[in-house]
Amino acid sequence: GIQVEQSPPDLILQEGANSTLRCNFSDSVNNLQWFHQNPWGQLINLFYIPSGTKQNGRLSATTVATERYSLLYISSSQTTDSGVYFCAVERSGGSYIPTFGRGTSLIVHP
Amino acid sequence: DTEVTQTPKHLVMGMTNKKSLKCEQHMGHRAMYWYKQKAKKPPELMFVYSYEKLSINESVPSRFSPECPNSSLLNLHLHALQPEDSALYLCASSQEKQRGGRQETQYFGPGTRLLVL
Repeated sequence: GIQVEQSPPDLILQEGANSTLRCNFSDSVNNLQWFHQNPWGQLINLFYIPSGTKQNGRLSATTVATERYSLLYISSSQTTDSGVYFCAVERSGGSYIPTFGRGTSLIVHP
Repeated sequence: DTEVTQTPKHLVMGMTNKKSLKCEQHMGHRAMYWYKQKAKKPPELMFVYSYEKLSINESVPSRFSPECPNSSLLNLHLHALQPEDSALYLCASSQEKQRGGRQETQYFGPGTRLLVL
């Protein structure tokens, strides 16, 4: 199956700092999503981004499908950004079985 | 309305009990999913329903039995579970333009925290 690797596994920031999270995948994909899981377990979809660049407030994401990676940028981080960020992909040509990376655990200190 | 609801929020059950988890969405999505998530791990896909038909079963033990009574509801029936089945159970839904077609953005419910004693 497709391999999804996220880096870094853990990240600690001071409030106001910027960060970049990376998702590498081993095969062509139809679908790539970034999720944020808050400390209470709720998973929120941040971006549906199989290719290109999108922005939503302080967050933006870029997927370079031909090079098999995606980046999530967090600017001016806030304590509410803490949690785990997951990348999930669907391999091209397969039935829809979303494969999640292991996540990046982010802690933002005040 | 972009909400997926799940009940109950928490569940404690013995290994001989029978219980059910419920999931509901009113976004008109025709694909619905059950995931299992252990602590500090990513969600693992269990089942996918497409247009109320089971389309994917990721080799889940028969003590977990899914049901999709209609396009808005998804149930997960639990029977004779083991302590290692304790986890966060997440429901999700997404738009599916045609059966077996490309999926769109997934929306997750808040989950049910299950403890099996």
